[in-house]
Amino acid sequence: KAGVTQTPRYLIKTRGQQVTLSCSPISGHRSVSWYQQTPGQGLQFLFEYFSETQRNKGNFPGRFSGRQFSNSRSEMNVSTLELGDSALYLCASSLMNTEAFFGQGTRLTVV
Amino acid sequence: GESVGLHLPTLSVQEGDNSIINCAYSNSASDYFIWYKQESGKGPQFIIDIRSNMDKRQGQRVTVLLNKTVKHLSLQIAATQPGDSAVYFCAENNYGQNFVFGPGTRLSVLP
Repeated sequence: KAGVTQTPRYLIKTRGQQVTLSCSPISGHRSVSWYQQTPGQGLQFLFEYFSETQRNKGNFPGRFSGRQFSNSRSEMNVSTLELGDSALYLCASSLMNTEAFFGQGTRLTVV
Repeated sequence: GESVGLHLPTLSVQEGDNSIINCAYSNSASDYFIWYKQESGKGPQFIIDIRSNMDKRQGQRVTVLLNKTVKHLSLQIAATQPGDSAVYFCAENNYGQNFVFGPGTRLSVLP
């Protein structure tokens, strides 16, 4: 079956702009989590959605938000981009309390 | 591809030798653990998991050991191959919460 699909793969934005990233989970998976990965901070949890509800949230500012649709697809949005938001954004889907399957990620560069 | 952790601890092993990658986890209430492998330009890939009611689990060429007393997890790779070169992350989960990832270890397989 198809894996987790993230779009776009690469993105370049200017400081102050906003960006929306998309994630399509594995069919049947209702939990979608988002992570930010940087060389200095490693994999940092952003938030998790389950059945269209945000279930957990990491320690990120309110500029980072997300949502999940009825088909389990998820989007995350970052507003007022800062240079420090440059990172690989990873989406993972899972069934309840099982392994998370990751997508390839979206590489965001803020200039 | 994208760099993952420019300053990660590195383990170098000869091809054919066994590798042991260690991880200290933080939450004594965590009940589910996963090892992930991340190659350059890709998202983390599931290797093996273990629940807290076990102390050892074996897969194909890989073994995970869990020591709850000292909150320690290890990944053993038998007969290490060049294709095993990657960054390895441990992740812990407390039922219903998000995964928390360790900082990662870079495994380098020498010919």
